[in-house]
Amino acid sequence: NAGVMQNPRHLVRRRGQEARLRCSPMKGHSHVYWYRQLPEEGLKFMVYLQKENIIDESGMPKERFSAEFPKEGPSILRIQQVVRGDSAAYFCASSPLPSRGEQYFGPGTRLTVT
Amino acid sequence: GESVGLHLPTLSVQEGDNSIINCAYSNSASDYFIWYKQESGKGPQFIIDIRSNMDKRQGQRVTVLLNKTVKHLSLQIAATQPGDSAVYFCAENPSLQGAQKLVFGQGTRLTINP
Repeated sequence: NAGVMQNPRHLVRRRGQEARLRCSPMKGHSHVYWYRQLPEEGLKFMVYLQKENIIDESGMPKERFSAEFPKEGPSILRIQQVVRGDSAAYFCASSPLPSRGEQYFGPGTRLTVT
Repeated sequence: GESVGLHLPTLSVQEGDNSIINCAYSNSASDYFIWYKQESGKGPQFIIDIRSNMDKRQGQRVTVLLNKTVKHLSLQIAATQPGDSAVYFCAENPSLQGAQKLVFGQGTRLTINP
């Protein structure tokens, strides 16, 4: 049973470009969460999605960031017009049911903005 | 507001000794807690969880203790091994109903000395 998959693992973008990060949850999981981690810091919640619905986006910056989880295919975190401050590791997690609580994380995408 | 913090940023122990990693949380409404292990360049790995109706839970070589009176959480690792070297995060879920974001602490770096 494959775990949470994320791609790309490493992404380099110049300032002003767009970054697209993909996440495929574990088989049977329909709840996806995105977190951002700066070096030497803990993870910070960004957004929680179910299929075709954004449930909680309280951690998402108001501008340039968006997320989706379509009926078919992976969840996408999109960052438009990237700036150097967007450089971080972005982790996706999934869970089978919200009432279970536990979230299983993917390996992350390390975004570097030059 | 919600916050989770750790008492010590780094911890060094001798191989074979027991390790205790501490965590303080501030949201008295939190009812679910998780410990994660993160190795360099990888995503957080689920170790053990505990719900607020319990004060102790044991796994393989790990024990989590929850003291709701002082809002304190600890992770005990027995007979530490070199493979235990990593950063350990505690995380809380303020509610098992509705939004499912996890609030992470800053992390404790555990180093095992041979």
